[in-house]
Amino acid sequence: GAGVSQSPSNKVTEKGKDVELRCDPISGHTALYWYRQSLGQGLEFLIYFQGNSAPDKSGLPSDRFSAERTGGSVSTLTIQRTQQEDSAVYLCASSLVPAPYNSPLHFGNGTRLTVT
Amino acid sequence: QKEVEQNSGPLSVPEGAIASLNCTYSDRGSQSFFWYRQYSGKSPELIMFIYSNGDKEDGRFTAQLNKASQYVSLLIRDSQPSDSATYLCAGSSSNTGKLIFGQGTTLQVKP
Repeated sequence: GAGVSQSPSNKVTEKGKDVELRCDPISGHTALYWYRQSLGQGLEFLIYFQGNSAPDKSGLPSDRFSAERTGGSVSTLTIQRTQQEDSAVYLCASSLVPAPYNSPLHFGNGTRLTVT
Repeated sequence: QKEVEQNSGPLSVPEGAIASLNCTYSDRGSQSFFWYRQYSGKSPELIMFIYSNGDKEDGRFTAQLNKASQYVSLLIRDSQPSDSATYLCAGSSSNTGKLIFGQGTTLQVKP
């Protein structure tokens, strides 16, 4: 595809339910990032993949959050037992060149998660 | 101390003026730096990236990097109302390569 694709674009879920957010990066991009952005706030780093491995998952807020990447391509962010504070826009981004000379990140349009 | 710091603003400049946005970072080993623009309700979009000390110019935008002072800036010449947005600075971690974003500076360009 031409860009980073995220689905769903919007998700409303009840507190306590599990949700899965999907990211399809640009073809050939080896690095994939997940960020979270609450209303009016900056980008909060969650996890970074290089290929299928995650050199840095230090930003995952709790053990309710997990992510995986398969085939060096699609990634899924799973939030178990959602809480209202999980409500935010979840942004996925990919880049071509790995660290340390990171090439620019290309962002998807995000998934807006609302926990009621 | 935050790893990448920006003044949240708002920074207000008149149309046609130069807007100067600043960013400091704490990881002395950081190698790559990026400026993104984010309009309300939209995803960040890349403006410029810089890896070497000095200036890098692209149209109305100039990025400046000073690794000794751990300082990155973005200058916008001939500011336009359409430049009004939040500008995000990002730097790479020397440990893991992740990109860390600052909180962003809100720029308002008044006609």
